[in-house]
Amino acid sequence: QKEVEQNSGPLSVPEGAIASLNCTYSDRGSQSFFWYRQYSGKSPELIMFIYSNGDKEDGRFTAQLNKASQYVSLLIRDSQPSDSATYLCAVNMGSNDYKLSFGAGTTVTVRA
Amino acid sequence: GAGVSQTPSNKVTEKGKYVELRCDPISGHTALYWYRQSLGQGPEFLIYFQGTGAADDSGLPNDRFFAVRPEGSVSTLKIQRTERGDSAVYLCASSLTARDEQYFGPGTRLTVT
Repeated sequence: QKEVEQNSGPLSVPEGAIASLNCTYSDRGSQSFFWYRQYSGKSPELIMFIYSNGDKEDGRFTAQLNKASQYVSLLIRDSQPSDSATYLCAVNMGSNDYKLSFGAGTTVTVRA
Repeated sequence: GAGVSQTPSNKVTEKGKYVELRCDPISGHTALYWYRQSLGQGPEFLIYFQGTGAADDSGLPNDRFFAVRPEGSVSTLKIQRTERGDSAVYLCASSLTARDEQYFGPGTRLTVT
């Protein structure tokens, strides 16, 4: 079992719709959860982080965390063509705050 | 302020050669990390520095890989006797402390021919 799993996509959504991305992780001790956006040929860019169960909103982005289900998600509201990218879920590996394990990413395409 | 910088942006080398990749973290960040990303995969942890010392090098694939951070700022990843399988994008990240969010540099694309 991989430590962090994401649907690879591609996830295609029309402009203005909500894009929903999911991520599951295997280590029950994980405490820190991150979403990175990666444009083709570029490096990962941090867009959200969440440490507590529940929802966290930042602009058009909402991260949701459920530690009991070992599940973290990212919602992108009012999707724009500029949101077309690969979204990487990252989770710290148990008691090691610094050691991030990444999923393979979900590719999102927003259709104009 | 300035983000993480990495040089070179691209490096092409022949199998068996030695390469050095450089990372300059965000000013004031004490924690520095190296990751490696292959096509279609997420970044893979290589090594973590807290200050000058390598606090965790468990992700280095073998003893051909070595990294230093002598003054607690700039870091160099060194790869000896490069192999074609070393071809990847090498990413550096830094954070204020080990408990804080990690910010990535633009990466160095290494191609071993």
